[in-house]
Amino acid sequence: DADVTQTPRNRITKTGKRIMLECSQTKGHDRMYWYRQDPGLGLRLIYYSFDVKDINKGEISDGYSVSRQAQAKFSLSLESAIPNQTALYFCATSDSGPGDQPQHFGDGTRLSIL
Amino acid sequence: GQNIDQPTEMTATEGAIVQINCTYQTSGFNGLFWYQQHAGEAPTFLSYNVLDGLEEKGRFSSFLSRSKGYSYLLLKELQMKDSASYLCAVRVMDSNYQLIWGAGTKLIIKP
Repeated sequence: DADVTQTPRNRITKTGKRIMLECSQTKGHDRMYWYRQDPGLGLRLIYYSFDVKDINKGEISDGYSVSRQAQAKFSLSLESAIPNQTALYFCATSDSGPGDQPQHFGDGTRLSIL
Repeated sequence: GQNIDQPTEMTATEGAIVQINCTYQTSGFNGLFWYQQHAGEAPTFLSYNVLDGLEEKGRFSSFLSRSKGYSYLLLKELQMKDSASYLCAVRVMDSNYQLIWGAGTKLIIKP
């Protein structure tokens, strides 16, 4: 089983719909992240959480919200989807140890908003 | 502002050596990461540099010069499976130690 699991893997939906992307991890990491990836652009941070009671906005949080339901679960919601939110979304986790702790990514959710 | 530059695409030959460069201008530097990402897949961690110099891991090496805002990833004995995008990311203190990512370099390996 994957250490960082994202569901769904693919989703096509219509403008105005509410969508939730889910992420769960078995790595025991405290820190979790949501990114989006668009062609020709670097990964951009949407939200991140250092523990269950800590939620922080990233570079592009407008139009998104998150919930950290447990140490292992971090979900991303699009309250009213719009076409420019079409992208590949990644969840990632990292340990809270020394500075060289890398981020570990899920397999991504390909989201298309029509 | 924060800026990371990488070449968009590079081509190399199987068995050869290739160097992928990354230059950065960031407010506060706290380490640089290299990731590999095959098409349609998740990025996977390759290397980390925080001090100047070369870090070697098998066929892959990564170099950092903090004074020049410059890093490179060196891939030796290229294999077809090395065809992928290579992402450079800098951790910046000013953004709660989060990562700023380059757009990635797509490496094409030819037989």
